[in-house]
Amino acid sequence: DAKTTQPPSMDCAEGRAANLPCNHSTISGNEYVYWYRQIHSQGPQYIIHGLKNNETNEMASLIITEDRKSSTLILPHATLRDTAVYYCIVRVVGTASKLTFGTGTRLQVTL
Amino acid sequence: GAVVSQHPSWVICKSGTSVKIECRSLDFQATTMFWYRQFPKQSLMLMATSNEGSKATYEQGVEKDKFLINHASLTLSTLTVTSAHPEDSSFYICSARRGLGGEAKTQYFGPGTRLLVL
Repeated sequence: DAKTTQPPSMDCAEGRAANLPCNHSTISGNEYVYWYRQIHSQGPQYIIHGLKNNETNEMASLIITEDRKSSTLILPHATLRDTAVYYCIVRVVGTASKLTFGTGTRLQVTL
Repeated sequence: GAVVSQHPSWVICKSGTSVKIECRSLDFQATTMFWYRQFPKQSLMLMATSNEGSKATYEQGVEKDKFLINHASLTLSTLTVTSAHPEDSSFYICSARRGLGGEAKTQYFGPGTRLLVL
């Protein structure tokens, strides 16, 4: 699976949009981009995933560049409860594929 | 939604004893389940992958005789830490993935089990 690069930490003011970048320049055509987050001392929570089109759900939006070499997770109105480590993971689709976690981005939402 | 539960949420045991952790997918059938371990201030490390009714596949460096995994049904997988030692103290997290095939199948995670071996 392709490797991803994320900034180690980011801050965001409550109520503002949080834009978390991810670089996956070696992504292959059959690899999806997944985003998970882990709030302190909890299991990871699925946020969103996409292949090449932008995606939106009740939690976030995922913007994937046309060349698919990078993506941005957008939390439109960050709250204190969004403080967590956010993981961007690329995964080959298939029964043998597995999620491999990197170090992620620690997002701190402040008042 | 897809809910995965783990039991117990935390456990303290004496060195040399065995500990069993259960992982259940509550509202879907999980053909594949995964076990991860996370040490403080580190990322999740995959320990093993198990498919229902077959033997687990362990990641390099994970002792299969120490970490016994059973995936006997489509909703239950268990991890047994045998002869636990203090260095096995960690946060153990299971994950379940529904379905088969080439479509993107999302993995859902349990809340984790914190193990402390004295």
